[in-house]
Amino acid sequence: AQTVTQSQPEMSVQEAETVTLSCTYDTSESDYYLFWYKQPPSRQMILVIRQEAYKQQNATENRFSVNFQKAAKSFSLKISDSQLGDAAMYFCAYRSGGYDKIIFGKGTRLHILP
Amino acid sequence: DGGITQSPKYLFRKEGQNVTLSCEQNLNHDAMYWYRQDPGQGLRLIYYSQIVNDFQKGDIAEGYSVSREKKESFPLTVTSAQKNPTAFYLCASSTLAGVTDTQYFGPGTRLTVL
Repeated sequence: AQTVTQSQPEMSVQEAETVTLSCTYDTSESDYYLFWYKQPPSRQMILVIRQEAYKQQNATENRFSVNFQKAAKSFSLKISDSQLGDAAMYFCAYRSGGYDKIIFGKGTRLHILP
Repeated sequence: DGGITQSPKYLFRKEGQNVTLSCEQNLNHDAMYWYRQDPGQGLRLIYYSQIVNDFQKGDIAEGYSVSREKKESFPLTVTSAQKNPTAFYLCASSTLAGVTDTQYFGPGTRLTVL
């Protein structure tokens, strides 16, 4: 069975600095998708970024980018120029290519220090 | 505006009572999902439905039931058989199952058993 592991329960970063959240996953499949979701205090889950496993190029969305290392089964999220509004729980998630069930990690709580 | 609505936002239930959580979407999505979120546990899949009048159990279906009579609606009933129902419940939807589209989430319902 696939698993998703986020080894950092909490992290802190100074405003305007860069922070990287770690995620590793375990799968025997070659076709899959990876996601980072943000859950602010409102608890609304918001998609931050997604990566298709068949794409070698790392996904980017404005200040958010990923470092996708397929062989190492690693999918880290980098947030540049951190802002106070980035404070939230961040969940890494995996979805098999032929099936739409998503498996979530346990989350990393990110604090932004002013 | 297109989106997913969940009601109520907060729900209180006495032990031994069944309660139904509402989830409606106007995104014309085919698939809908119910997740449970507990502190430190991430999201766990309860039930999902890919088409009307069909649904499948997720990882923690015991004590829950669902129906999918309309494409737009996927209500979740928490039955008295659910031993520890106090949690935050999230509904999500996506386009055709098996396609790469992302799951989008509603704002959630906080259920507390008194």
